[in-house]
Amino acid sequence: QSALTQPASVSGSPGQSITISCTGTSSDVGGYNYVSWYQQHPGKAPKLMIYDVSNRPSGVSNRFSGSKSGNTASLTISGLQAEDEADYYCSSYTSSSTSVVFGGGTKLTVL
Amino acid sequence: QVTLKESGPVLVKPTETLTLTCTVSGFSLSNARMGVSWIRQPPGKALEWLAHIFSNDEKSYSTSLKSRLTISKDTSKSQVVLTMTNMDPVDTATYYCARIPAYSGSFNAFDIWGQGTMVTVSS
Repeated sequence: QSALTQPASVSGSPGQSITISCTGTSSDVGGYNYVSWYQQHPGKAPKLMIYDVSNRPSGVSNRFSGSKSGNTASLTISGLQAEDEADYYCSSYTSSSTSVVFGGGTKLTVL
Repeated sequence: QVTLKESGPVLVKPTETLTLTCTVSGFSLSNARMGVSWIRQPPGKALEWLAHIFSNDEKSYSTSLKSRLTISKDTSKSQVVLTMTNMDPVDTATYYCARIPAYSGSFNAFDIWGQGTMVTVSS
C-alpha cells in the first residue's frame, strides 16, 4: 500500500480537462509545499511534470498545472491530447518514516 | 547534456548483495545542493524511493529498507553507488537513478532520470 492515495484510473476525451488527486496527511502533502508529479509512458523512465506543488520545469507544456488544498494535491491537464495517455505518479516529502513517498499511480486514458 | 546511466547485474540470486552504479554526465556531483536518488519499480507496480545522497554527502534511506541499503558517491568518477544486501525475489524491479536539481527546495523533484536497469532476483 502506497503512502499517498491516487485514483487507479481517470479518462477524458481530446480537448477536455482532467484532474488527478493525490491524498496524503499533514506529515507529507499537507505539511510541505514539496509535491511533485511524474508522467510515465510504457517502458519509459518517469518524466518530471510539476515540482514544489505548482512549478513547471522548463520544456513542460503549460497545459499541465498543479495545486494543493489541505492534505490533497492535484494535477490538472487541460486540452487533453492523445500523447498525454500515460501513468501519472505524485510524490511528496514526508517528515515521518522515509524522506520521500510516492502515490500508487493513476492511469490516464484519452478516449 | 545531462545524463544518468545505471549499470549492474541483470540477475542476482536470493541472499546475494546487489551493487548498482549510476554514472552521471553533464553536471558534477560536487555542485552545491545537487543530489542523486535511487528509485525502483517492480513490474506493473508503483515507484518506490530508496535513497538519496547530496553533494555535501548528506544521505537518507527508505525506513523499510534502511538496514539493507548503502549509498555512496565518487565525485572524481561521477558515480553514485547503491548496494542492497540480502536480495529477495520481491526485490525484482527496474532500478532508476535520478537527479535532484539545485533549483528545487525539496528532496523529491527528480528532473533527469536514467533509463533504468532491470534486476531479477532468482535462483
